[in-house]
Amino acid sequence: AQSVTQLGSHVSVSEGALVLLRCNYSSSVPPYLFWYVQYPNQGLQLLLKYTTGATLVKGINGFEAEFKKSETSFHLTKPSAHMSDAAEYFCAVRMNTGFQKLVFGTGTRLLVSP
Amino acid sequence: DTGVSQDPRHKITKRGQNVTFRCDPISEHNRLYWYRQTLGQGPEFLTYFQNEAQLEKSRLLSDRFSAERPKGSFSTLEIQRTEQGDSAMYLCASSRARDGYEKLFFGSGTQLSVL
Repeated sequence: AQSVTQLGSHVSVSEGALVLLRCNYSSSVPPYLFWYVQYPNQGLQLLLKYTTGATLVKGINGFEAEFKKSETSFHLTKPSAHMSDAAEYFCAVRMNTGFQKLVFGTGTRLLVSP
Repeated sequence: DTGVSQDPRHKITKRGQNVTFRCDPISEHNRLYWYRQTLGQGPEFLTYFQNEAQLEKSRLLSDRFSAERPKGSFSTLEIQRTEQGDSAMYLCASSRARDGYEKLFFGSGTQLSVL
């Protein structure tokens, strides 16, 4: 069964610094992978997704993620953090058996300091 | 899009009581999902509707849980004889084919506390 593991429940960066949020997946077949973001008091929203094709995927708000099959990773990056990026980020994989539900990781809270 | 709305935002109840939550999806979204999220965990799938038909239920959904989506519009999630372990954030989401069904639009959730 597909699953994702997010390393680090909290990540702290300074404003302007590189953001790197880690996600590793487990799947016996090519996975569909996603990053969702949850801002305080708001619902989760899709940041970006990888299905097939180009392995570097660009999303909203300057975020991007690269699918690396050899490392079974789908890390989320942003070159320069902004205060407004402070939120919780969830990696997810789509199941490919039965109902193709999304299975989420445990989340990483991004803290951005001035 | 007006967004997915959930009501109430917070619910405090005593163990053994029944509770019902409502979700209004984005209009024209034919898929509706219920997820549950506990502290320190990601959302866990509970159930999903395609229009009015409930097509999938997780093993997490015990017999005390029931969900409906009459007429394929809003949905309700009822928990009977609540237990302290039911305390969680209950999330509703909707999606449509045009966005790719994996683009889920989530509501802000209903926080349930069972005392």
